[in-house]
Amino acid sequence: QVQLVQSGAEVKKPGASVKVSCKASGYTFTNYYIHWLRQAPGQGLEWMGMINPSYGSTDYAQKFQGRVTMTGDTSTSTVYMELSSLRSEDTAIYYCTRVWTDYYDYWGQGTLVTVSS
Amino acid sequence: DIQLTQSPSFLSASVGDRVTITCRASQGISTYLAWYQQKPGKAPKLLIYVASTLQSGVPARFSGSGSGTEFTLTISSLQPEDFATYYCQQVNNYPRTFGQGTKVEIK
Repeated sequence: QVQLVQSGAEVKKPGASVKVSCKASGYTFTNYYIHWLRQAPGQGLEWMGMINPSYGSTDYAQKFQGRVTMTGDTSTSTVYMELSSLRSEDTAIYYCTRVWTDYYDYWGQGTLVTVSS
Repeated sequence: DIQLTQSPSFLSASVGDRVTITCRASQGISTYLAWYQQKPGKAPKLLIYVASTLQSGVPARFSGSGSGTEFTLTISSLQPEDFATYYCQQVNNYPRTFGQGTKVEIK
């Protein structure tokens, strides 16, 4: 069965970076884009960007340009999202999602990133 | 960016009620719209795509309609497991954007 398993919760200090992983299984990894979204506590969903795991090509939301990097490793069917220069407003649950015909049919379980001094 | 506005933001209803949630887009998006359900502590779940197509495994009491700038999600007979927050999302343009959510609570 299709699964996206994300890495565990992180606590970071302001100015630091965080790297969240998303390991895919149960399908052909290179056939589906992965998008990353986040959800601040008690808030809605925010799109961060996407990666084509087959070629490693990416596209990021303008809000995160220069701070986010998405990469993929086809040997382990894993994608990564790294966010730098963290600030308190980046405290959120980060989700990876599989894209099927533009829609998000499978989601990771979410990774809580807490930014606190 | 395309803005999506959901109404209401909060809805109190009873089991068996018919519930309708509206999503309005700031510009036309044809039928490039999805609805997701999110329960506390869980990732969202795809309910409907292309505005009105039911995702596999989703109960038939859920339905979607609309095109252009106005869309609706209807739950024909609310069940206990339907109490959750619902989000619309447009996939017409990048960046992908979501409505602010509609929380459905038990009356």
